[in-house]
Amino acid sequence: GDSVTQMEGPVTLSEEAFLTINCTYTATGYPSLFWYVQYPGEGLQLLLKATKADDKGSNKGFEATYRKETTSFHLEKGSVQVSDSAVYFCALSASGGYQKVTFGTGTKLQVIP
Amino acid sequence: DAGITQSPRHKVTETGTPVTLRCHQTENHRYMYWYRQDPGHGLRLIHYSYGVKDTDKGEVSDGYSVSRSKTEDFLLTLESATSSQTSVYFCAISDGRGRGGNTGELFFGEGSRLTVL
Repeated sequence: GDSVTQMEGPVTLSEEAFLTINCTYTATGYPSLFWYVQYPGEGLQLLLKATKADDKGSNKGFEATYRKETTSFHLEKGSVQVSDSAVYFCALSASGGYQKVTFGTGTKLQVIP
Repeated sequence: DAGITQSPRHKVTETGTPVTLRCHQTENHRYMYWYRQDPGHGLRLIHYSYGVKDTDKGEVSDGYSVSRSKTEDFLLTLESATSSQTSVYFCAISDGRGRGGNTGELFFGEGSRLTVL
């Protein structure tokens, strides 16, 4: 079945550091890929998405590129802020029909001043 | 923000008691989902619905049932709660547009924290 593997956390960075959170997936066909973010005490919200190979999703300074050859969708940000502290989830939605979204286990990011 | 309301937001109950969580949406979205969130497991799908009275099981459906009698409401029931069902439960919706009938983009409620003693 479909699965998503993302790096273990927590990740602790200083403000203005470069962020990478690795995500790889296993799926049949051509899934859509997503990064969701969860701030403390809240539900998840979509951060960015990509629906086909080589697409780059971007939002709020975060970027991720859909790499079919390496089945990866790594999240990057050039300069993190304290307000980016949250849990980040990589997810995929299988192609065709009514899809169920499969999530990774989440990576907690803590940014310190 | 998508109009999704979960109730109750917090509940403490005892083993063996029935519990119903409610998800109400004002977006008229076709698809509704119940997930549970646990440390080390991320989000796991319990049940989902693709229309009124149309539901199906997710990966962790044992011990749970659902009902959807109206587009806007999706109920999750624990017939006899156990301590292993202590978790945070999230409802999500999606609008079914895009390739394959569902973009896969989900909108989440704020969660319901359930503690089973």
